[in-house]
Amino acid sequence: AQTVTQSQPEMSVQEAETVTLSCTYDTSENNYYLFWYKQPPSRQMILVIRQEAYKQQNATENRFSVNFQKAAKSFSLKISDSQLGDTAMYFCAFMRSTGSYQLTFGKGTKLSVIP
Amino acid sequence: DAGVTQSPTHLIKTRGQHVTLRCSPISGHKSVSWYQQVLGQGPQFIFQYYEKEERGRGNFPDRFSARQFPNYSSELNVNALLLGDSALYLCASSLLGNRDYGYTFGSGTRLTVV
Repeated sequence: AQTVTQSQPEMSVQEAETVTLSCTYDTSENNYYLFWYKQPPSRQMILVIRQEAYKQQNATENRFSVNFQKAAKSFSLKISDSQLGDTAMYFCAFMRSTGSYQLTFGKGTKLSVIP
Repeated sequence: DAGVTQSPTHLIKTRGQHVTLRCSPISGHKSVSWYQQVLGQGPQFIFQYYEKEERGRGNFPDRFSARQFPNYSSELNVNALLLGDSALYLCASSLLGNRDYGYTFGSGTRLTVV
């Protein structure tokens, strides 16, 4: 079974600064997919960024980028130029490349952006 | 296009009762999944359905059941409600076959069992 661990229950960052959220996972599979989701108070889970394990290049989406270290089973999220709207819960998630399309989530990191 | 819609948004039930939650996927999405999110935790997988067939089941008791209709909408049913079933229930839809796409989630149904 896969597990996802987010070791930072809460973090804060000053507006316009950069913050990195950590995620580690455990799997015996060689190929898989990793995701970061954002959940604001509105409750809807919003996909922030995704990475396929066989792709060595780190994914980027505007102000969001990841540092994917496959050997270390680490998948951190970097948010640059933090904005007040980035305040939310952030969840790291894992999906196998075969079989069930089940997402396995971590417990989340609560990010607060301070004006 | 409308996103994933869930109804109702909030619900209060008494222990022992039955509840039905509903989900309409994004147009064109044929796969629907259900997740339970207890306060302070990440979502936990309950079911996945594709083309009206169950394709995956998480570690939940038989009190939880679901089905998918020909229009790809879905219902989640929970019988004999327990206090511990209080949670946010999220529905997500996907184009099956595109794993890197992930899922699009609805805003959830907040179920409170008293």
